[in-house]
Amino acid sequence: NAGVMQNPRHLVRRRGQEARLRCSPMKGHSHVYWYRQLPEEGLKFMVYLQKENIIDESGMPKERFSAEFPKEGPSILRIQQVVRGDSAAYFCASSPAGQFRVQYFGAGTRLSVL
Amino acid sequence: KNQVEQSPQSLIILEGKNCTLQCNYTVSPFSNLRWYKQDTGRGPVSLTIMTFSENTKSNGRYTATLDADTKQSSLHITASQLSDSASYICVVSDNYGQNFVFGPGTRLSALP
Repeated sequence: NAGVMQNPRHLVRRRGQEARLRCSPMKGHSHVYWYRQLPEEGLKFMVYLQKENIIDESGMPKERFSAEFPKEGPSILRIQQVVRGDSAAYFCASSPAGQFRVQYFGAGTRLSVL
Repeated sequence: KNQVEQSPQSLIILEGKNCTLQCNYTVSPFSNLRWYKQDTGRGPVSLTIMTFSENTKSNGRYTATLDADTKQSSLHITASQLSDSASYICVVSDNYGQNFVFGPGTRLSALP
């Protein structure tokens, strides 16, 4: 049973380009969470999704950022018109349904904006 | 406001020694508390998860305690190893289990 898979592991973009980060949850997991981590800082919640639904996007910037978790395929975190401040590690976690859900994290995608 | 605080911010310990990390939270209503270990450049890995009715849980050399009355938790590491060098993150979930509030982490450095 493969763990949470994130790709790419490293992504370099120039200012103004689009970044698409992918997350394949563990088999059987229907909940996906995205977090951002700046260097030397803690994880910051961005968005929580279930299949085809956004449950909580309170941590996501209102502009340029969007997330989806389609019925088929991985969850996508999309950042349009990237700026240098978007440079960070983006972690995805998945969990099964249930009250005491353990989150399993991927290895992260490190986005560098030049 | 739901918050999780951790102390110390960073800690240096000699190999073989014990240490204790602290976590205070104001998340309400409370569901469960987790401790994660995050190695540099990697995603966090779960160490322990405790519900309201549990006050201690062990995972090898890691022992977590929970006092739900004072809203405090600790993570005790016994006989530290160099591989314990990492950030340790306290995460508290609310009663609905949908919201996870992350602490800033304690960065532990174990030296030979």
